[in-house]
Amino acid sequence: TQLLEQSPQFLSIQEGENLTVYCNSSSVFSSLQWYRQEPGEGPVLLVTVVTGGEVKKLKRLTFQFGDARKDSSLHITAAQPGDTGLYLCAGAGPGGSYIPTFGRGTSLIVHP
Amino acid sequence: DAGITQSPRHKVTETGTPVTLRCHQTENHRYMYWYRQDPGHGLRLIHYSYGVKDTDKGEVSDGYSVSRSKTEDFLLTLESATSSQTSVYFCAISETQGWLVPEQFFGPGTRLTVL
Repeated sequence: TQLLEQSPQFLSIQEGENLTVYCNSSSVFSSLQWYRQEPGEGPVLLVTVVTGGEVKKLKRLTFQFGDARKDSSLHITAAQPGDTGLYLCAGAGPGGSYIPTFGRGTSLIVHP
Repeated sequence: DAGITQSPRHKVTETGTPVTLRCHQTENHRYMYWYRQDPGHGLRLIHYSYGVKDTDKGEVSDGYSVSRSKTEDFLLTLESATSSQTSVYFCAISETQGWLVPEQFFGPGTRLTVL
C-alpha cells in the first residue's frame, strides 16, 4: 500500500492570508490529484498533475508536483471563507492503477 | 454535476441488523466505488466494481459485501452491522483515462449510525 501523508492536518487562518499544504510519500506516483470536500458533501476534483515539476494554477490556487513525483503542494493566495473545506490528495501508483490512494486530508478553516 | 445519488442519506440502525446502501448513477460509467470516511482516517476504499457482476475488495472490506447487477446500481451491504461501522459512506464513479488515475465523481454520502 502506497501511503500519502498530508500536512498540516488542521489549519485555521484569517481571510487574506496565504497558505501551503503538503502531500508527501516515499513512493513514486504516476499522477496525483487534489480534491476539495465541503462540509456535508462529497469530494470534488480540483486538479490532476502528471509530470514531475509540473505547476498548475486554478485562480488563487497553485499546485506543484515534485520533480521526483513523490510529493505535491497546494498553495492558496489570499484565502477566502469560501476556501474552507477538507483538501485531499490522491495518487495512482507507477503501475497505472485506476484505484487511487487517498491521504487523510488537511482541514482548512478561513475566518472572515 | 455528475448524476450520482445515494440512498438513504441518513440511517440509524441497531447492532446485528443487516443494512443495504444504494448508489445509483445516470452517467453510464464503468467503475463504481464504495468508501467510508472517518475522522483521522480519510477516505478508505471498501469495495469497487469494474463492470456488471465484476467486483473486488478494497483495504477495509471485512464485514461488507457488494453487488452490481446493472451498470447504474452498486449496492453495499453490511451483513451484521457493528458500532465500528458507524461512518459516512461515499459512492464514487469513474471512467478510465488511459494510464492516468481517473477523475472520480462522488455522491453526497450516507451517514450511518449503528447503536
